[in-house]
Amino acid sequence: DIQMTQSPSSLSASVGDRVTITCRASQSIGSSLSWYQQKPGKAPELLIYTASSLQSGVPSRFSGSGSGTDFTLTISSLQPEDFAVYCCLQTYSLPYTFGQGTDLEIK
Amino acid sequence: EVQLVESGGGLVQPGGSLRLSCAASGFTFSSYWMHWVRQAPGKGLVWVSRIESDGRTTYVDSVKGRFTISRDNAKSTVYLQMNSLRAEDTAVYYCARAGVGLSAFDIWGQGTMVTVSS
Repeated sequence: DIQMTQSPSSLSASVGDRVTITCRASQSIGSSLSWYQQKPGKAPELLIYTASSLQSGVPSRFSGSGSGTDFTLTISSLQPEDFAVYCCLQTYSLPYTFGQGTDLEIK
Repeated sequence: EVQLVESGGGLVQPGGSLRLSCAASGFTFSSYWMHWVRQAPGKGLVWVSRIESDGRTTYVDSVKGRFTISRDNAKSTVYLQMNSLRAEDTAVYYCARAGVGLSAFDIWGQGTMVTVSS
């Protein structure tokens, strides 16, 4: 199975900050990486697919980059509604695997 | 509106069975691969199973032989039959749609809680 290692596991930041979250795959997954936001008690929501494509309706302050084994999610200027848990998902090979999540908290 | 609505969760004893349903609306269900993902309390997301448009299925090792995914395209519904349930199966179960060409899950249901306990 492909292991997805996400860092950091938690992050404190302020409104307006630029933040970066990283996912590293245990083997190359090409661009088969997506990012999700999850708020308490809610289902995950797709932010980025194929590593760098912005899902329709997602604000442009979210961006993704990377290929192969190293990927990043960047939020250019944090807004109050962005405080949530973020996780990555590889869909390169079965079983699909998620990163363990990054809890983005208000500083 | 494109949406997925899960049902069927609840409290079940270890060794028991439960069938989850996920009703789709607002899109051509038969054209999409569908997935189940679970999340134990306070834990991360875990992919559970996939069913392709033609009915081919795949499972994570921890549920193989115990869970069965199926679909009824006439009812726009995907199911997860869960047998021989264990305490470690306790989780919120989400169904999700695999977006065509996205290599990602673009639509998620609200989730249904399954608790396995005596």
